[in-house]
Amino acid sequence: AQSVSQHNHHVILSEAASLELGCNYSYGGTVNLFWYVQYPGQHLQLLLKYFSGDPLVKGIKGFEAEFIKSKFSFNLRKPSVQWSDTAEYFCAVNAYNNDMRFGAGTRLTVKP
Amino acid sequence: GAVVSQHPSRVICKSGTSVKIECRSLDFQATTMFWYRQFPKQSLMLMATSNEGSKATYEQGVEKDKFLINHASLTLSTLTVTSAHPEDSSFYICSALEGDTEAFFGQGTRLTVV
Repeated sequence: AQSVSQHNHHVILSEAASLELGCNYSYGGTVNLFWYVQYPGQHLQLLLKYFSGDPLVKGIKGFEAEFIKSKFSFNLRKPSVQWSDTAEYFCAVNAYNNDMRFGAGTRLTVKP
Repeated sequence: GAVVSQHPSRVICKSGTSVKIECRSLDFQATTMFWYRQFPKQSLMLMATSNEGSKATYEQGVEKDKFLINHASLTLSTLTVTSAHPEDSSFYICSALEGDTEAFFGQGTRLTVV
């Protein structure tokens, strides 16, 4: 069965620092990849998704992610984080059976 | 981390019947739980926000009489798909908030209506 690994449970950064959150999955077939964000007390929101085409995907709020098929990775990046980016970030993979699998999540705390 | 258990993981039902999906927070109390649905080859769609002891808040376009949500305790929310039809076949997933910052997901339920 497919699985999704997020390497960091909690990341603490200062404002303007660069962000990279790791995501690896274990499935050899065609996958759709997603990053979601959940702000404190709110529901999940889609940041970006990859289905096919350009492996560098740009999402909302200045986030981007790169799909590297050979590494089974889909890392999330942002060049300069803001305090308002404090939230929990989830990577998800959707494979042939259409069921989503989520990573455990990474809590990002941005210090002002 | 905390654990959210969703049951059943897969269910097949006949058209016209009702199906209940349970979402339990096993080792924490969750005053807020969320129910999502995933359409084929699309991302998750929020259906409703479930608050313990009060009525759920449904997103626009989600039929509250068809998708009944009950959050009767701090560890259990249920989603009942009433009078299910084949177009209700989908993947449903819940998440529970621990405190007001950290969310944990259930394993999801694959519903097939035949």
